[in-house]
Amino acid sequence: DGGITQSPKYLFRKEGQNVTLSCEQNLNHDAMYWYRQDPGQGLRLIYYSQIVNDFQKGDIAEGYSVSREKKESFPLTVTSAQKNPTAFYLCASSIVVGLAGGLSYEQFFGPGTRLTVL
Amino acid sequence: GENVEQHPSTLSVQEGDSAVIKCTYSDSASNYFPWYKQELGKRPQLIIDIRSNVGEKKDQRIAVTLNKTAKHFSLHITETQPEDSAVYFCAASSQPYFGNEKLTFGTGTRLTIIP
Repeated sequence: DGGITQSPKYLFRKEGQNVTLSCEQNLNHDAMYWYRQDPGQGLRLIYYSQIVNDFQKGDIAEGYSVSREKKESFPLTVTSAQKNPTAFYLCASSIVVGLAGGLSYEQFFGPGTRLTVL
Repeated sequence: GENVEQHPSTLSVQEGDSAVIKCTYSDSASNYFPWYKQELGKRPQLIIDIRSNVGEKKDQRIAVTLNKTAKHFSLHITETQPEDSAVYFCAASSQPYFGNEKLTFGTGTRLTIIP
């Protein structure tokens, strides 16, 4: 389970406050991702970054911001503009793996941060 | 963009029987289809994946089939065991970039194995 960490595990914030979720990996992966997980809605992509100093919006980027200043780190800021921020947030990183049957693109997930906005 | 639909949302299976979870996708350019398993309180983990140049792939009790014409793929678990109880997510990739794929996930299937 080591290699990609998220902190804190639980986070409580008052409505209207920005909050930053941490994601760190020591797997030397180029790509990193942020997902939001809500009951019955699966994993929805917020932002992703394929290389340092570059990132792209995912399907639900509104109200979120990211930075990728270092390969190991991809912090996510939940801003006050996010209308429904209470959720479980998962960070992931990925690497291309060459296998006998072709290439595999496994994403490794962190343990997640449960954010509750009061 | 890509849209992935997954059915059923919940599935209960008697231990030892087989379980099948189905997904459909919308983008005909998608060419990579992984399945992730998330046990209660744990992070999702890749259990099997398939690329579009292959119709079927098997790994012990788990198999995935792909029908590109119909744009659907399925996960088959045989001889189910209690440790198979989890939420399973299918996914499809629609935007390869530097070799790392942007995935679109299905909504998940909660599989319960009844002892």
